[in-house]
Amino acid sequence: DTAVSQTPKYLVTQMGNDKSIKCEQNLGHDTMYWYKQDSKKFLKIMFSYNNKELIINETVPNRFSPKSPDKAHLNLHINSLELGDSAVYFCASSPSGGANTGELFFGEGSRLTVL
Amino acid sequence: AQSVTQLGSHVSVSEGALVLLRCNYSSSVPPYLFWYVQYPNQGLQLLLKYTSAATLVKGINGFEAEFKKSETSFHLTKPSAHMSDAAEYFCAHNGGFGNEKLTFGTGTRLTIIP
Repeated sequence: DTAVSQTPKYLVTQMGNDKSIKCEQNLGHDTMYWYKQDSKKFLKIMFSYNNKELIINETVPNRFSPKSPDKAHLNLHINSLELGDSAVYFCASSPSGGANTGELFFGEGSRLTVL
Repeated sequence: AQSVTQLGSHVSVSEGALVLLRCNYSSSVPPYLFWYVQYPNQGLQLLLKYTSAATLVKGINGFEAEFKKSETSFHLTKPSAHMSDAAEYFCAHNGGFGNEKLTFGTGTRLTIIP
């Protein structure tokens, strides 16, 4: 069973379109994250949710909107896509509170290409 | 601001040789430190972590790292490189216990020469 799964794995779209990436974890974790990895492999946190509540919101354009319908799911919706949004987006999860030692469990990534 | 710095974006070693990947951190308080590995077209996987216990930390696949407060370093080593070690390696840290924001270094691509 895949612990953290993301769909789709690959996404090619035109500038100006709106797209979503979905993430689900079956680890029972309370906290989920979205990270962006650019073409130089640099990883930067975008958002973090704890039990459906937003706890980290880095400096990300408001075209990016995360949604957490329950603690096992964290989706990322992107409006008006731009060329610079091309990247690999990673979902991750971790336990929270006393069980959290900082280890994240990552999905395999969703490669977004904006043409 | 807390950060980690990885020296060398690319490192090449011969199969069987020592692997040394460098990471330095800046923080007024020793954070939790991590090494993650990313194989091609995959997500990141934890190699090992330092959480204020033993300063020499052993991880998976024969890797280990030593926390040196005096040098603010957490370098990753493996005595003998294997072809399967070729990957991207990331040093990361957070602010300490319960801090859920991991900050990653810029990564080091390890190439193994047959």
